[in-house]
Amino acid sequence: EAGVTQSPTHLIKTRGQQATLRCSPISGHTSVYWYQQALGLGLQFLLWYDEGEERNRGNFPPRFSGRQFPNYSSELNVNALELEDSALYLCASSRRLAGNTGELFFGEGSRLTVL
Amino acid sequence: GQQVMQIPQYQHVQEGEDFTTYCNSSTTLSNIQWYKQRPGGHPVFLIQLVKSGEVKKQKRLTFQFGEAKKNSSLHITATQTTDVGTYFCTLSGNTPLVFGKGTRLSVIA
Repeated sequence: EAGVTQSPTHLIKTRGQQATLRCSPISGHTSVYWYQQALGLGLQFLLWYDEGEERNRGNFPPRFSGRQFPNYSSELNVNALELEDSALYLCASSRRLAGNTGELFFGEGSRLTVL
Repeated sequence: GQQVMQIPQYQHVQEGEDFTTYCNSSTTLSNIQWYKQRPGGHPVFLIQLVKSGEVKKQKRLTFQFGEAKKNSSLHITATQTTDVGTYFCTLSGNTPLVFGKGTRLSVIA
């Protein structure tokens, strides 16, 4: 069974540009989560998608957005990039269990560097 | 929203020593999950605890859920170099997982 896949592995952008990161969940998983992990910091929750809908978002500005496609894959868009957006962006997927978030399966992440 | 505090933030141990990390919340948790992230890797699920006072073991790892379901601990007996990494606890429930800042474990051979 293929795991969660993310692309690109690395991305270098300059301030003010836009970045798009992509994620393919494990087959059968309908929930996709995005987390930001800046150097030395923990996992900061960004966005949660389930069945094509945005279910929740973390404390990030609106320039962080995304969507989930009918095949449950997802993309994260970051507009007007700032230096502090440099981080590892992790995508995770899970089965959506009633009343409970199931085990998260993480991808290897996309390393975004903003110069 | 709910938050978790994890202590310690860093721990350096000699190989063979024991290690414990604690996860505390001000509110009652529905359940809790633990993850491990190796250096340069991604978080990997270890276990989920659901019941008050629950204790689960995985080889040298022992996980506990507090009686009041407000805290949890992970204890590693006789650490090995393969235990190196950051251990995260998360709040689990009907909302996206909120991660603690993690405890970074270094093991000196």
